Amino acid sequence: EVQLAESGGGLVQPGGSLRLSCAASGLTFSTYWMSWVRQGPGTGLEWVANIKPDGSEKYYVDSVEGRFTISRDNAKNSLYLQMNSLRAEDTAVYYCARDISVFDHWGQGALVTVSS
Amino acid sequence: IVLTQSPGTLSLSPGERATLSCRASQSVTSNYLGWYQQQPGQAPRLLIYGASSRATGIPDRFSGSGSGTDFSLTISRVEPEDFAVYYCQQYGNLPRTFGQGTKVEIK
Repeated sequence: EVQLAESGGGLVQPGGSLRLSCAASGLTFSTYWMSWVRQGPGTGLEWVANIKPDGSEKYYVDSVEGRFTISRDNAKNSLYLQMNSLRAEDTAVYYCARDISVFDHWGQGALVTVSS
Repeated sequence: IVLTQSPGTLSLSPGERATLSCRASQSVTSNYLGWYQQQPGQAPRLLIYGASSRATGIPDRFSGSGSGTDFSLTISRVEPEDFAVYYCQQYGNLPRTFGQGTKVEIK
């Protein structure tokens, strides 16, 4: 059974930084693209970033380009999202998801709140 | 690509048929469109990919159709567990984009 578990969420001040982690099990992690998808309070879903299996290609939505960095450690079956220069509008639940173009497995989400 | 879902809310009784619409601002490459169901407090669940293929374990009362810019999700007979929010998503172009969602609620 595929399991994805996010951690690292919390409250951070505007302009601050936070690093999310996603621990994966039940899949050959090193062979899959992975994505981060977020959902603001009471709002819809927004794809944030994805990363190729070997980490050589990364893509971002415009609103986070230059502020967020997606990475992975295949030896640890882990996905990461480094978030810098955080803004109030980045407040959301952040999900990691297996990316097969659609997202067929999701974690339970990590809440990130950006507020002073 | 901007995806616009309609209606915003659909009020139905169990056993009724549900038809949800998703319209794209430009043609979706190769009909690369998916549908998701999200229950309150839970992560989304993949229902449909490739516009019309059911994901693993999805009941056959869920069906997807459409091409180009107009797509739909149909629930043939709504069961109590189907009351939720539904999202469409295109994956033919980056950035991947989602519709704003349709809430299916109990009438």
